Amino acid sequence: EVQLVESGGGLVQPGGSLRLSCAASGFTFSGYEMNWVRQAPGKGLEWLSYISNSGNTTYYAASVKGRFTISRDNAKNSLSLQMNSLRAEDTALYYCARGYTGGFDDWGQGTLVTVSA
Amino acid sequence: DIQMTQSPSSLSASVGDRVTITCRASQSTRTYLNWYQQKPGKAPKLLIYTASSLQGGVPSRFSGSGSGTYFTLTISSLQPEDFATYFCHQSYSTPHTFGQGTKLEI
Repeated sequence: EVQLVESGGGLVQPGGSLRLSCAASGFTFSGYEMNWVRQAPGKGLEWLSYISNSGNTTYYAASVKGRFTISRDNAKNSLSLQMNSLRAEDTALYYCARGYTGGFDDWGQGTLVTVSA
Repeated sequence: DIQMTQSPSSLSASVGDRVTITCRASQSTRTYLNWYQQKPGKAPKLLIYTASSLQGGVPSRFSGSGSGTYFTLTISSLQPEDFATYFCHQSYSTPHTFGQGTKLEI
């Protein structure tokens, strides 16, 4: 069974940093592209970042480019999102999602990030 | 960026109804269009990928069609468990973008 489990969320002050992790199991992690997607409370979905299966290629949404960094460790079946210079508008539930023929076929349960003084 | 516009934003329907949700893209996404269902407090679930391919385990009452800039998600006969929010998602180019969602209510 495919499992994606996010962790690392919490309350952080504006300007602060957090590192989110996504532990993958139940599939060959190194064979799949991965993404981060967030959802602000009561709002829609926002794609944030993509990483290729090897980790050599990454893409970012304009809203987080230069502040967030996606990475992966295929040996540890782990995906990460380093988030710096956090703003109030970054408050959201953060999901990791597995890429599959363009769609995202498996999602974690999400980890909540709250940016507030 | 490709803008995705769903309609309607909300929809009231009854069990057994046939329902269609539309998604329009601001430019062509070919068939790189996916549909998700999200229930309260849960992660999105992939229903349809590449416009018309049914994800494994998804009931056949769900179907998708379209290409280019116009796409539809149809539920042929609504079941009680189908009341949820539905999102379209273009994966043709980065940044990936989602529609604003369609809330399907009883």
